[in-house]
Amino acid sequence: DTGVSQDPRHKITKRGQNVTFRCDPISEHNRLYWYRQTLGQGPEFLTYFQNEAQLEKSRLLSDRFSAERPKGSFSTLEIQRTEQGDSAMYLCASRRDSLYEQYFGPGTRLTVT
Amino acid sequence: AQTVTQSQPEMSVQEAETVTLSCTYDTSESNYYLFWYKQPPSRQKILVIRQEAYKQQNATENRFSVNFQKAAKSFSLKISDSQLGDTAMYFCAFGKETSGSRLTFGEGTQLTVNP
Repeated sequence: DTGVSQDPRHKITKRGQNVTFRCDPISEHNRLYWYRQTLGQGPEFLTYFQNEAQLEKSRLLSDRFSAERPKGSFSTLEIQRTEQGDSAMYLCASRRDSLYEQYFGPGTRLTVT
Repeated sequence: AQTVTQSQPEMSVQEAETVTLSCTYDTSESNYYLFWYKQPPSRQKILVIRQEAYKQQNATENRFSVNFQKAAKSFSLKISDSQLGDTAMYFCAFGKETSGSRLTFGEGTQLTVNP
């Protein structure tokens, strides 16, 4: 396994701009998760895919957020009209159906100025 | 909704000694999983150990072991023979078997191993 990768690692954007993050899960991991982590807190669940289907979304995922996983491979998370409160670390994780542990990527740190 | 609480924001231990990190959780579920993740400085989270709720035996992985008390909803992590490389933020996490198994995390405990 090459591990979960995320791109970019850091993103600085101005309020009101749109940003998109990418996650490449471990190959053959059909489940993919997005979390958000702010300073001093543990990660909070945002959304979850099983293959290409988005099966669950948190209330934290406002209508400015959208996630996709075309063809059940990589996933993208887009934030439209960013706000300063969106500044956080965005984490991606993946797992197999048969195992419950999730493997995390390094995260994308978003700073909205 | 599930909640996970780590009541020790920071802990320190001398190299080669043993330290225990606390975690409590609240759930009405009977089938679930518990995890400890380690996050070294500027690095990604790494799974340390996992425990299935239906197993009475406490999980062990080399120097890491857990004390799982299901009735008390407690899941502590013991690190034996602490090493400098154990310095990290440790997160306790809860996952249900259903609902896609999203993880609910505690706030984390920063562990520092001193030489």
